Amino acid sequence: AQKVTQAQTEISVVEKEDVTLDCVYETRDTTYYLFWYKQPPSGELVFLIRRNSFDEQNEISGRYSWNFQKSTSSFNFTITASQVVDSAVYFCAKHGANSKLTFGKGITLSVRP
Amino acid sequence: KAGVTQTPRYLIKTRGQQVTLSCSPISGHRSVSWYQQTPGQGLQFLFEYFSETQRNKGNFPGRFSGRQFSNSRSEMNVSTLELGDSALYLCASSGWASGGPGDTQYFGPGTRLTVL
Repeated sequence: AQKVTQAQTEISVVEKEDVTLDCVYETRDTTYYLFWYKQPPSGELVFLIRRNSFDEQNEISGRYSWNFQKSTSSFNFTITASQVVDSAVYFCAKHGANSKLTFGKGITLSVRP
Repeated sequence: KAGVTQTPRYLIKTRGQQVTLSCSPISGHRSVSWYQQTPGQGLQFLFEYFSETQRNKGNFPGRFSGRQFSNSRSEMNVSTLELGDSALYLCASSGWASGGPGDTQYFGPGTRLTVL
C-alpha cells in the first residue's frame, strides 16, 4: 500500500507560535494529488488545500502555507502565528490512480492561550 | 451551495442488528465516497459510487454495502453489526466526472455509530 505518514501525533504550542505539521508520502504514480484536511472537535473534515504532483510551487493562504517537495516526497503545512481556533486534528491525504483517498494518522494540534 | 449532509448524526445499535446511513452530496456532484474513522485504524476508505455504480471498494467485509440513487444520494448499510463497527462514518462528495482522479472530496459531518 502507498502510505501517507504523519510522524508527529500530538503538538502543543502557545498562541502566536509558528508550527509546522509534517507529511511524507509513498507513491508509484506519476500523477497524484495531495491534500490537507482539518478536523475540529465537531468531526467534519474541512478541506484546506489540494496540490497536484506537477505543481511544486509553495502556496500561502493567510496564516497557512504549504511546502511541497517531490524530491523528499513531503508536503508540509505551516501555521504562522497560531491561534486557539487552530486547535484540531490535521490530516494529510493522497489521491493516486483511483478515487480513494489515503490518509495519514493525523496530528492533534493544541494551541494554548 | 449546501454542503454534504448525512443522516442520522448519531445512532446506537446492538450487536447483530443492521443499520442504514444516508448521504446527500453537494448539488451537481456525482461521486460519493464513504470512509470509516476509528481511533485505532484512523480513516479508511469503504467504497465510492459514481452514476449509481460502485467504482472502487476498500478492504471491508461484505457486511458493508452501499448504493447510489439516480439523484446521486447514497446509502451505506452494515448488516450483523459487531462491536468493532462502532465508528464515525464519513461521506464525501466530489465532482469527478472523468476517468482521472484528483477532484477534491468534500466531507459531511459524519454519522457516529455506537454498537452495544
